[in-house]
Amino acid sequence: SQQGEEDPQALSIQEGENATMNCSYKTSINNLQWYRQNSGRGLVHLILIRSNEREKHSGRLRVTLDTSKKSSSLLITASRAADTASYFCATALSSGSARQLTFGSGTQLTVLP
Amino acid sequence: DVKVTQSSRYLVKRTGEKVFLECVQDMDHENMFWYRQDPGLGLRLIYFSYDVKMKEKGDIPEGYSVSREKKERFSLILESASTNQTSMYLCASSPRDRGFYEQYFGPGTRLTVT
Repeated sequence: SQQGEEDPQALSIQEGENATMNCSYKTSINNLQWYRQNSGRGLVHLILIRSNEREKHSGRLRVTLDTSKKSSSLLITASRAADTASYFCATALSSGSARQLTFGSGTQLTVLP
Repeated sequence: DVKVTQSSRYLVKRTGEKVFLECVQDMDHENMFWYRQDPGLGLRLIYFSYDVKMKEKGDIPEGYSVSREKKERFSLILESASTNQTSMYLCASSPRDRGFYEQYFGPGTRLTVT
């Protein structure tokens, strides 16, 4: 089964609103990452949060991590139409192969102008 | 900037054909990965390689093989393509010392097997 599961599967908001996406996972992690994918394209890395961090910011992005609940959230503030994309969380496990990431099934975000 | 390129954006093959998907990265990365992406299933790891001529199975290796003869190139091979291998295929790379860190993705190859 998937290590990471995003919620909701789809989200539609108006430009200027904030968008929040959630990710839950099952086993201990070294870090959790968020990626963005524009329609039909490859993924682009957005932000990484380590297991000993609780919150991280990058521009309009804010990521939180709660290891006790095995969950993370991605907040995009003041959304723009250009933020329309699919967003994936990916986990790097704390044991086993250090090179693998396990991806969730993604949240499709639509920002309406 | 890291650049990961894939040989084709779109590919149509017939059932039973042997299919080669090529991936090249220009940043001297040790780690390279092949994923397939299907609606509702996210990305699933097929194979990865952490060095030339080295390979490890991912979560769904059945029906696929890989080749890494040169550091910059990682090939995915479908020995006998089947319709259930119709999918988007994504290649990625990352540096050795940053194996826990971000991966850099190519634009993807959308493969249709008829």
